[in-house]
Amino acid sequence: DGGITQSPKYLFRKEGQNVTLSCEQNLNHDAMYWYRQDPGQGLRLIYYSQIVNDFQKGDIAEGYSVSREKKESFPLTVTSAQKNPTAFYLCASSIYRADTQYFGPGTRLTVL
Amino acid sequence: GENVEQHPSTLSVQEGDSAVIKCTYSDSASNYFPWYKQELGKRPQLIIDIRSNVGEKKDQRIAVTLNKTAKHFSLHITETQPEDSAVYFCAAHEEGGTSYGKLTFGQGTILTVHP
Repeated sequence: DGGITQSPKYLFRKEGQNVTLSCEQNLNHDAMYWYRQDPGQGLRLIYYSQIVNDFQKGDIAEGYSVSREKKESFPLTVTSAQKNPTAFYLCASSIYRADTQYFGPGTRLTVL
Repeated sequence: GENVEQHPSTLSVQEGDSAVIKCTYSDSASNYFPWYKQELGKRPQLIIDIRSNVGEKKDQRIAVTLNKTAKHFSLHITETQPEDSAVYFCAAHEEGGTSYGKLTFGQGTILTVHP
């Protein structure tokens, strides 16, 4: 999991702004995922991508968007349509879609 | 879709005791069950996993058992140490249709090991 990086570590957003969270991996993994974690709760899947130029909605995709133009990159945009975006966001990747997922260090987003 | 229930939500033990965390899942097609440990403010780290073709797997003080008939799996930590204190998550891999490759997580168990 040392090959998965997320930036920034902390992010502050004003209401009404879109922000983009970065996720990069150098593990040559095909599949990438975005999760949201709220205090005292488990991980909820936002979006996932099994291959370049393809992605699927997870359980809580409303108010979020993603792209997968390169194998190593899977950025997440939190739009102004997301009503409660303050959370810890985790990116993960796996060799292929049915294999072990490894997590990045996370980005903590706070809406001011 | 898959649903994973995890119990207990909190677990407090004395150093040296054993700890057991249990999960149940709903989709009989699920065949991969990882366990993650997450320390405060850090990323989840895989500690052990099991696939449905085996009933038990052990790695030093950690073991996982799987009962496919009953659709439940458990994490066992023996000789607990204070550094085992963390949040533990179970997960099940969903095999059906377009959800193939999706992990569904339990709600987590906060384990506290008292010295």
